[in-house]
Amino acid sequence: GQQLNQSPQSMFIQEGEDVSMNCTSSSIFNTWLWYKQDPGEGPVLLIALYKAGELTSNGRLTAQFGITRKDSFLNISASIPSDVGIYFCAGQLLHGGSQGNLIFGKGTKLSVKP
Amino acid sequence: NAGVMQNPRHLVRRRGQEARLRCSPMKGHSHVYWYRQLPEEGLKFMVYLQKENIIDESGMPKERFSAEFPKEGPSILRIQQVVRGDSAAYFCASSPPLAANTGELFFGEGSRLTVL
Repeated sequence: GQQLNQSPQSMFIQEGEDVSMNCTSSSIFNTWLWYKQDPGEGPVLLIALYKAGELTSNGRLTAQFGITRKDSFLNISASIPSDVGIYFCAGQLLHGGSQGNLIFGKGTKLSVKP
Repeated sequence: NAGVMQNPRHLVRRRGQEARLRCSPMKGHSHVYWYRQLPEEGLKFMVYLQKENIIDESGMPKERFSAEFPKEGPSILRIQQVVRGDSAAYFCASSPPLAANTGELFFGEGSRLTVL
């Protein structure tokens, strides 16, 4: 099946540092989304991207839709303890798959040292 | 303004029993999706339903799994004759009609199935 390669798998950072994570695929996507999941909870949408090259911010979060439509990155600036959690990229294929049939990466587990 | 409601939050079943997971979408949302998450993994799409219709079931196992979204009441994901490999977190998500093709899904808190 289709795969999204998300990296890094996990990271420890000092509070206040910036964080960067990315997703790549061999397939072309028409939508990229970034979700955050806290322990025992469902994923919560952070940012949605719809156009190749699009750069979108949500507070301290910035995400970009790669120009090739095969990748996306998420940056978190000035991290704080509540940023801890698992971040998932998800994509909706340009060809094939219905709406809501999202392909998810395996997640980036973020831990912040207080 | 309640979000997506799933129940039960935790369910324990013995091998061979049936599991029923329920999902009430957000108010005004007519599209429901079910995803499965194994430990340390991302979510895997299972099925997409609208009221009384299955739109895409390409992620559903061919046997033992079924889903419905009746005209009245919650969506149900049913797993018959459960096996240990069915142990996972099952997430329901919903979206409004106008969000068609955006991929913006609102997830519930999940139902965690443990098969003994």
